[in-house]
Order: sequence, then C-alpha cells, then structure tokens
Amino acid sequence: EAGVAQSPRYKIIEKRQSVAFWCNPISGHATLYWYQQILGQGPKLLIQFQNNGVVDDSQLPKDRFSAERLKGVDSTLKIQPAKLEDSAVYLCASSLEGQGARSFFGQGTRLTVV
Amino acid sequence: GENVEQHPSTLSVQEGDSAVIKCTYSDSASNYFPWYKQELGKRPQLIIDIRSNVGEKKDQRIAVTLNKTAKHFSLHITETQPEDSAVYFCAAIPVNDYKLSFGAGTTVTVRA
Repeated sequence: EAGVAQSPRYKIIEKRQSVAFWCNPISGHATLYWYQQILGQGPKLLIQFQNNGVVDDSQLPKDRFSAERLKGVDSTLKIQPAKLEDSAVYLCASSLEGQGARSFFGQGTRLTVV
Repeated sequence: GENVEQHPSTLSVQEGDSAVIKCTYSDSASNYFPWYKQELGKRPQLIIDIRSNVGEKKDQRIAVTLNKTAKHFSLHITETQPEDSAVYFCAAIPVNDYKLSFGAGTTVTVRA
C-alpha cells in the first residue's frame, strides 16, 4: 500500500523566512499528526487532526506555526517566521480513526534554518 | 501529560549478543506501548507493541515486557545482527487518548 507522502524532503531557509510542508496520509486514515523531531530527540507532537478538525494543538507554537487540513485529506504545516531553533525533521503520520497508536510515518522533511 | 524516559541513550553490542532498552512512563492511565525503529535518514517504523493486559510479547528475535506496577517496559533484541543498528524509540499512549509520547531514543550499534 502507498505510505504517507511528504514533501519536500529537505529545505534550507534563512531565519525569519517562511516555509511550508505538505503531507498526504494513507488513504482512508482519518487521523493525521505532525511531529517535530529535533536531532537526538524523540518525535514531539505538534498537532493532531481528526478528519479536518483539530484534536490537539497544545504543543504547537501558534505565534509562528500553523497547520490546516481543509478537506480532511492532505495537510500543510507552515512556519512564519522561522527561527534557528526550528531546525528539525518534521514528520507527518497518519492512522485509522481510533487507532492512533498504530501510526504510520512519512519520510519527513528536514528543515535547516540558517 | 505523559512523560516517557528511555535508557540507555546509546548501546553498542557485539553481533550475536542481546540488547536491552528500558523505558519508564509516568501516566498510570497509559495502556499501549509501541516501539519504533528509525534507521538513519528514514522514517520511524513500528516494530512491536504491547498492551497493558499483556506482560510479554515476542516476535522472532524481539520481545517486549511490561511491568504496570512499576510503570516500566523493555525491548529485548536477541542474536543481534548488523541490520539491527538503528535508533529505537519507545512510546506510551494513555487510554482514550491518541497522542504518542516518545522516549528520547536509544542508538543501537551492532559491531560485526
């Protein structure tokens, strides 16, 4: 089966610039997650969608991060403006509704802010 | 919220030996404990999981144990092979919640 697709794979931007990441979950997966994985650490949940609604965005720095999943399928995560400490891998994951633990991850987008 | 601690942060073993990674969790309501393997530059992949009504689960060379009273769980890899070299993450998820809380990861290196 097709997995979770993410793009781009890599992105280098200067601080204060904007960047957007895209995620296409596994077909039929109602739940979509965005994680931030800083080098040497485990993934940290930023936001969780159930269809097109936000379930949990308590860890999302809302002053600079935003995310949407307008049609309940694809999702975009945006950072504006970026800071040096935003350098990380941004992972998208999806799961069937009610089975959040069995999440399938995308390859991630490695963001470097210089 | 849930806090998961993982030890050790790095682990080097000789090929054929066993590797053990231990995790503790804080939320007694957690009832599902998956383990993910992440090879360099690749996505985390679920390798095994255990639910709170089970004390141990095996899948070929890997096994997980869970002690709910002590709130800790462990991953055991036997007869390690070079392809087992990766970063391993434990995670916990409370009942009625879908948010995975990850440990910081263990970098396992299997020496040939």
